[in-house]
Amino acid sequence: EAQVTQNPRYLITVTGKKLTVTCSQNMNHEYMSWYRQDPGLGLRQIYYSMNVEVTDKGDVPEGYKVSRKEKRNFPLILESPSPNQTSLYFCASSFPPISGQIYEQYFGPGTRLTVT
Amino acid sequence: AQSVAQPEDQVNVAEGNPLTVKCTYSVSGNPYLFWYVQYPNRGLQFLLKYITGDNLVKGSYGFEAEFNKSQTSFHLKKPSALVSDSALYFCAVSGVMNRDDKIIFGKGTRLHILP
Repeated sequence: EAQVTQNPRYLITVTGKKLTVTCSQNMNHEYMSWYRQDPGLGLRQIYYSMNVEVTDKGDVPEGYKVSRKEKRNFPLILESPSPNQTSLYFCASSFPPISGQIYEQYFGPGTRLTVT
Repeated sequence: AQSVAQPEDQVNVAEGNPLTVKCTYSVSGNPYLFWYVQYPNRGLQFLLKYITGDNLVKGSYGFEAEFNKSQTSFHLKKPSALVSDSALYFCAVSGVMNRDDKIIFGKGTRLHILP
């Protein structure tokens, strides 16, 4: 089954304690992205990756890191989480845009993070 | 800069009635437009997209959307609403096609279908 998986699904942590949210896709997609979803703000892009070893900032990258060492994995790292990073996080993947075509994204189930 | 607006936070529709969820956009160049749906405790699911061609796009679960270039709108529609259509709906837009273009999501519209 084609899917994007995220782990953990729920996480409660304390300020400053480093954490990693994993994301994996089995569709051989080059493009992967992380979003956060907050009430009244919709989805905002944190980081994205067009392919292995290629990452770039989205709209709200502060306080986050990513890496793309393998095509299927795109972990999100919070080196020193703070309460304002409490949110619902989604990983997504798709084929990359090419001339005249842009592909829909497949989303993971989400990770609900609470930082106290 | 590209942007997308969903002017209604919530839309209530009686079951069996037609529904419309509104979306307007602003991009430089030709727009690439999407609708996604989010059910409770789930990730977003793709419904439909407009790239070029026919202004009326048909998608999953009986939904369709009409692209209107002069009004810069891409409203989501369904002729007869079901209670199971109750969910959060997101419109998204991307502009001129190059490898660095981002997809911008609207803030979402919560659709309530009343039995």
